[in-house]
Amino acid sequence: SQTIHQWPATLVQPVGSPLSLECTVEGTSNPNLYWYRQAAGRGLQLLFYSVGIGQISSEVPQNLSASRPQDRQFILSSKKLLLSDSGFYLCASARFGVDTEAFFGQGTRLTVV
Amino acid sequence: AQSVAQPEDQVNVAEGNPLTVKCTYSVSGNPYLFWYVQYPNRGLQFLLKYITGDNLVKGSYGFEAEFNKSQTSFHLKKPSALVSDSALYFCAVRAPSNTGKLIFGQGTTLQVKP
Repeated sequence: SQTIHQWPATLVQPVGSPLSLECTVEGTSNPNLYWYRQAAGRGLQLLFYSVGIGQISSEVPQNLSASRPQDRQFILSSKKLLLSDSGFYLCASARFGVDTEAFFGQGTRLTVV
Repeated sequence: AQSVAQPEDQVNVAEGNPLTVKCTYSVSGNPYLFWYVQYPNRGLQFLLKYITGDNLVKGSYGFEAEFNKSQTSFHLKKPSALVSDSALYFCAVRAPSNTGKLIFGQGTTLQVKP
């Protein structure tokens, strides 16, 4: 099965600072990759997903962007963080047609101060 | 458009009693349906899935779910709840295409009391 690595686990950043969260996947190739944000321990909001290198679909207009420079690497970025960007960010990987279910990383807790 | 609804923010059950966590969905075509569990400050753990075949699917930790196409539901069940089952549960749906868009419900907190 797949293993999803996310880092850092916790991050405190000032308003206006840049952001880069990285997600890497082991144990599969050519996966679909996802970034979700979870606010206040509740629902998962799909931010971006990617079906291949350089292919990014954005679900919600916002202060964030995503990139997929390699097959098993997915990066979430911001040029200038807002207070509202605080939350729990989760990366997921799914090899549909092989596993069908998605596998999740352990998440990054981002607090913007 | 795909959507998932979990109508209950919280479900409370006594240990040893059966539990049900509700989920309804909307998707074009035949859905792929999933249940996940999340413990505090952790990622999501896969419990079970429905892709095709038998409407009753069994998963991890004694959980099962029943797919009902006419009611567009996929309720999570367990015959006998444990205190350790207390967690946040998510239902998710995906249309069977390679766009791979995976949509989650808002989550239901399950509280099992001894």
